[in-house]
Amino acid sequence: SQELEQSPQSLIVQEGKNLTINCTSSKTLYGLYWYKQKYGEGLIFLMMLQKGGEEKSHEKITAKLDEKKQQSSLHITASQPSHAGIYLCGADGVRGGAQKLVFGQGTRLTINP
Amino acid sequence: DGGITQSPKYLFRKEGQNVTLSCEQNLNHDAMYWYRQDPGQGLRLIYYSQIVNDFQKGDIAEGYSVSREKKESFPLTVTSAQKNPTAFYLCASSIFSGRALNEQFFGPGTRLTVL
Repeated sequence: SQELEQSPQSLIVQEGKNLTINCTSSKTLYGLYWYKQKYGEGLIFLMMLQKGGEEKSHEKITAKLDEKKQQSSLHITASQPSHAGIYLCGADGVRGGAQKLVFGQGTRLTINP
Repeated sequence: DGGITQSPKYLFRKEGQNVTLSCEQNLNHDAMYWYRQDPGQGLRLIYYSQIVNDFQKGDIAEGYSVSREKKESFPLTVTSAQKNPTAFYLCASSIFSGRALNEQFFGPGTRLTVL
């Protein structure tokens, strides 16, 4: 079965600094999703990547999928307190059919003022 | 507003009792999912349903049961056979369009504590 490894598991950064979270797969990713979760709440969809080399940005968050489609990174520029939370990557484990997502263990991001 | 609702937000049950978690969506999505999240871990798929009156086991279905009698509803029953039921449960839904990839929309979650 496909497994996703996120790094780091937790991250503390000073407000205004840049940061990167990585998500590595043991198999080729057919679809890679990034979600954000506030503690004790549901997941908020951030971005989906599908093609090798694809890059998407929304406000100060940029997500990339490498050419081999086995690693993705999430980069936050000029971090703000609102960026704090748990970031999870999820991958489509089956090509076509129902999206049976497999998730990484999450990265807990803390922003210090 | 369209969305997914889960109720209740917090649920306490005694060991040995079955409990049913509610999940309702008004997004007109075909597919619905149940996940379990434990502290410091990602989500694990319990059951999913692509269409009414049909559902499939996920990675950790033992001790759980579901039904999909209506498109909008996908309740999850945690049975007494589930050995470690205390967890955060998340329901999600998505458009089901065959080979196309579509993001899943998540509910706010239900935190179940078995005493």
